[in-house]
Amino acid sequence: DAKTTQPNSMESNEEEPVHLPCNHSTISGTDYIHWYRQLPSQGPEYVIHGLTSNVNNRMASLAIAEDRKSSTLILHRATLRDAAVYYCILSFPGGGADGLTFGKGTHLIIQP
Amino acid sequence: GAVVSQHPSRVICKSGTSVKIECRSLDFQATTMFWYRQFPKQSLMLMATSNEGSKATYEQGVEKDKFLINHASLTLSTLTVTSAHPEDSSFYICSARAKGVVGGYTFGSGTRLTVV
Repeated sequence: DAKTTQPNSMESNEEEPVHLPCNHSTISGTDYIHWYRQLPSQGPEYVIHGLTSNVNNRMASLAIAEDRKSSTLILHRATLRDAAVYYCILSFPGGGADGLTFGKGTHLIIQP
Repeated sequence: GAVVSQHPSRVICKSGTSVKIECRSLDFQATTMFWYRQFPKQSLMLMATSNEGSKATYEQGVEKDKFLINHASLTLSTLTVTSAHPEDSSFYICSARAKGVVGGYTFGSGTRLTVV
């Protein structure tokens, strides 16, 4: 599986934008970039995914580098409820035959 | 959207007993379900993949006789931890692959197992 690298933790203030980086230099042409997040004592939840173009949804935006070797998850206005571990994962869009491979993710801390 | 219900949310059991965890897809049929384990401060590790009506496929290092998986219907998969020991204490999470769901995977809320 292509691997991703994320910072262990990041800290931000409430109501400010947050940019969570992810490096995936060995990404293949068919890999989609997925982001999931895990709130404390919960199962992961889907955030966003993309292939080449930047993507927006009600939760976040995903900015993908032109060479696809890195991406950034953008939370436009962080709230305390966004405090979670964010995982950047490479996968097929509809889910492959395999489960997702989770790295260590980025622990996002939001200060009030 | 696709919802996966996982029960119980937490369970405490005595060493040597067995515990069953249920994972149900509420509004869709899940032909494939995945079971993960997560130790404190660590990431999720895939334990096994179960397909409805067939034997589960276990990841390397996961004992299939200890972690029994049954996927008897398109909406229910169960994980039974047999002869549990304190080292089996962990957070167990199920996931289902759902067609038409953005992102493809939906997760249960997890089960905190404590073996005393």
